[in-house]
Amino acid sequence: QKEVEQDPGPLSVPEGAIVSLNCTYSNSAFQYFMWYRQYSRKGPELLMYTYSSGNKEDGRFTAQVDKSSKYISLFIRDSQPSDSATYLCAMSGVAGGFKTIFGAGTRLFVKA
Amino acid sequence: ETGVTQTPRHLVMGMTNKKSLKCEQHLGHNAMYWYKQSAKKPLELMFVYSLEERVENNSVPSRFSPECPNSSHLFLHLHTLQPEDSALYLCASSQRSGESFGQETQYFGPGTRLLVL
Repeated sequence: QKEVEQDPGPLSVPEGAIVSLNCTYSNSAFQYFMWYRQYSRKGPELLMYTYSSGNKEDGRFTAQVDKSSKYISLFIRDSQPSDSATYLCAMSGVAGGFKTIFGAGTRLFVKA
Repeated sequence: ETGVTQTPRHLVMGMTNKKSLKCEQHLGHNAMYWYKQSAKKPLELMFVYSLEERVENNSVPSRFSPECPNSSHLFLHLHTLQPEDSALYLCASSQRSGESFGQETQYFGPGTRLLVL
């Protein structure tokens, strides 16, 4: 079983839609959860960072962590064509020497 | 220059060539990383340097040889690569401290797109 599972997509939505991106994980020792956005021909950039369970909101983006289900989500409200990118979930914690483990990424297309 | 820069951005090499990838971070960080990114696969951590000492080597073949001469520069020396080594090679940096417990944010460069023929 992979440590982090993420559907690679692609996910195609119309402009203005609410987008839900998800990851599941197997290691209950993960404590820190991150979402990176990667545009074509660019490196990943940190979008959101959360610690433990709960929600965190930043503008149109909401990150949600459910540690009991080992499930994290990123919601994008009022999606824009400029949100078209690959979204990578990542997590780290006590286990594995605090190594950051990445998901494979979900490719998102927002159509104008 | 700001952030993390990588050169070259694109590289085509034969299996018998020797080449080097360069990474420079302008963020004052004390840790640097090499990752391999292949299509539809998670980022694979290759090497980690903290305070210029290699602290992690994830069973990477010896045809990849890292070098960290100072906290701002990181190199990846390549020799006798295989076609399956074709990928995007990403460099990242972060500020590690005794209390960070893996929560430090990694900042990535744009990557070097490598094609091995």
